[in-house]
Amino acid sequence: GAGVSQSPRYKVTKRGQDVALRCDPISGHVSLYWYRQALGQGPEFLTYFNYEAQQDKSGLPNDRFSAERPEGSISTLTIQRTEQRDSAMYRCASSLAGAGNTIYFGEGSWLTVV
Amino acid sequence: RKEVEQDPGPFNVPEGATVAFNCTYSNSASQSFFWYRQDCRKEPKLLMSVYSSGNEDGRFTAQLNRASQYISLLIRDSKLSDSATYLCVANQGGKLIFGQGTELSVKP
Repeated sequence: GAGVSQSPRYKVTKRGQDVALRCDPISGHVSLYWYRQALGQGPEFLTYFNYEAQQDKSGLPNDRFSAERPEGSISTLTIQRTEQRDSAMYRCASSLAGAGNTIYFGEGSWLTVV
Repeated sequence: RKEVEQDPGPFNVPEGATVAFNCTYSNSASQSFFWYRQDCRKEPKLLMSVYSSGNEDGRFTAQLNRASQYISLLIRDSKLSDSATYLCVANQGGKLIFGQGTELSVKP
């Protein structure tokens, strides 16, 4: 596609349920990033991949959060046993290769945990 | 202490004004820096990269001071369309660390 595509755009889930957020990066982009953004705050780094390799996952809040990019293209961010504090905008971004290149964000996935 | 710090504002300025935003970063190993712009409820988009020698793009000028770990963005002749949140960003070993953002509101 022309841009970074994320799905679902909106997700409401009950506390304790697992959720999977999908990111389809710009074709040919090597690097893929996941961020979380709360209202009035800047994007908070979660993790990033080069190809299928997870390079840094230091921003994942706890072990309920995981991400994968098995074929070096589409990525999934999974949150297990969701809690209300997980409610936020989750943003995916991609770049040609590395953070020295412009990163392009998707429109994000709004997650609400009730 | 946040890794990238910005004054959240808001900065309320009249059209035509010059406005400057500042940003500090804590990790001296940060390799490169950027300013991103984010409109309300939209995704962030690259405004400009920041180089040690300073760089200009039309009405926008960015400066980097590595000794003081300080980055700035100057907007001249503000337009109504400049109203947005401006995010300072540091590249730390491949991951981009964003500041909180500074909100700018340009009034007629």
